[in-house]
Amino acid sequence: EAGVVQSPRYKIIEKKQPVAFWCNPISGHNTLYWYLQNLGQGPELLIRYENEEAVDDSQLPKDRFSAERLKGVDSTLKIQPAELGDSAVYLCASSKGQGAYNEQFFGPGTRLTVL
Amino acid sequence: SQKIEQNSEALNIQEGKTATLTCNYTNYSPAYLQWYRQDPGRGPVFLLLIRENEKEKRKERLKVTFDTTLKQSLFHITASQPADSATYLCALDRGGGSQGNLIFGKGTKLSVKP
Repeated sequence: EAGVVQSPRYKIIEKKQPVAFWCNPISGHNTLYWYLQNLGQGPELLIRYENEEAVDDSQLPKDRFSAERLKGVDSTLKIQPAELGDSAVYLCASSKGQGAYNEQFFGPGTRLTVL
Repeated sequence: SQKIEQNSEALNIQEGKTATLTCNYTNYSPAYLQWYRQDPGRGPVFLLLIRENEKEKRKERLKVTFDTTLKQSLFHITASQPADSATYLCALDRGGGSQGNLIFGKGTKLSVKP
């Protein structure tokens, strides 16, 4: 069974530039999460999808961040414009269902560096 | 305020000993608590889940306890090996357990010396 796929693995951009991250969850997983992880910290949830619906985006900075999950499978997270403080690892995860009793499967993450 | 604390940023132990990691929380009433392992440059990997009505859960050399009165979970690795060296994260739900929004601690970096 293929795991969660993320691309790119690394991205370096200048501040004020746009950037996009892509995630392909495990087949059959209806729930998809985007997390942000700073060095030495645990993952922090940005947005959670149930199929194509964003059911919790309360932690997503909507002035510059956007996400979509068309057709309820792949998802894209975008930052426009990027700021220096956005440098972090962006993790995508998926699970079979939305309950907290479901284990979450994480991708390898995209390490973003904003110069 | 709501808080999750993992006992220390780093834990160094000798191979063969038991590693004990602590996760304390305040102002949450989680229905579930999960433990994940994270290696450098990789995403977290699920290890164990324990429910609020369970005292203890085991899986091979791993054991986790959950004390809702103390608001604490302990994670044990018995007969530790250098390959167990990694960062271990605890995560809990905000309460109720119906939604998958996990709150993660900062993690404890475990180093097992041969």
